[in-house]
Amino acid sequence: EAQVTQNPRYLITVTGKKLTVTCSQNMNHEYMSWYRQDPGLGLRQIYYSMNVEVTDKGDVPEGYKVSRKEKRNFPLILESPSPNQTSLYFCASSTLTALTQYFGPGTRLTVL
Amino acid sequence: AQKVTQAQTEISVVEKEDVTLDCVYETRDTTYYLFWYKQPPSGELVFLIRRNSFDEQNEISGRYSWNFQKSTSSFNFTITASQVVDSAVYFCALMWNTGNQFYFGTGTSLTVIP
Repeated sequence: EAQVTQNPRYLITVTGKKLTVTCSQNMNHEYMSWYRQDPGLGLRQIYYSMNVEVTDKGDVPEGYKVSRKEKRNFPLILESPSPNQTSLYFCASSTLTALTQYFGPGTRLTVL
Repeated sequence: AQKVTQAQTEISVVEKEDVTLDCVYETRDTTYYLFWYKQPPSGELVFLIRRNSFDEQNEISGRYSWNFQKSTSSFNFTITASQVVDSAVYFCALMWNTGNQFYFGTGTSLTVIP
């Protein structure tokens, strides 16, 4: 089954404790992206990647890191989480031709 | 500057009414792509449609239709004979060719009352 998976689905952590949210897709998509969704703000792109070893900042990259060492994986890293990073996070992937993004199920992160 | 504007924050309609969700976008590129996504109460994001800037044909898919007008930079979405299952948050999104970034609107929350 074609899908984008994210782990964990729910995470509660404390300020400053490094965490990683994994994202994996099995569709051989070149383009992968991370978004955060906050009430009243819609989805905002954090980082995106056009292919392996190619990453770029989206609209709200501060406080986040990503890597793209393999085509299927695109982890989101919060080196020192803060309460303002409490949000719902979505990973997505698409081909570079169709650009139709397939989204993961979301990760709800709470930073205390 | 906001790239995608969905001015309607919340809309309520009675079942079987028609409803139009507005989307206005801003871009200087001549090549760009517009999308609509649905987010039902269960939270997943579901792709509905993609339109590129060279294709101004309106599209109909069952009870759903989309009106793309470059002259007014709008890509509106109409649901005909709404049903309770249409209750969701709907997002309009834009990507332009040279930027590779996606911009989503703030979403319109649609409630269909039985």
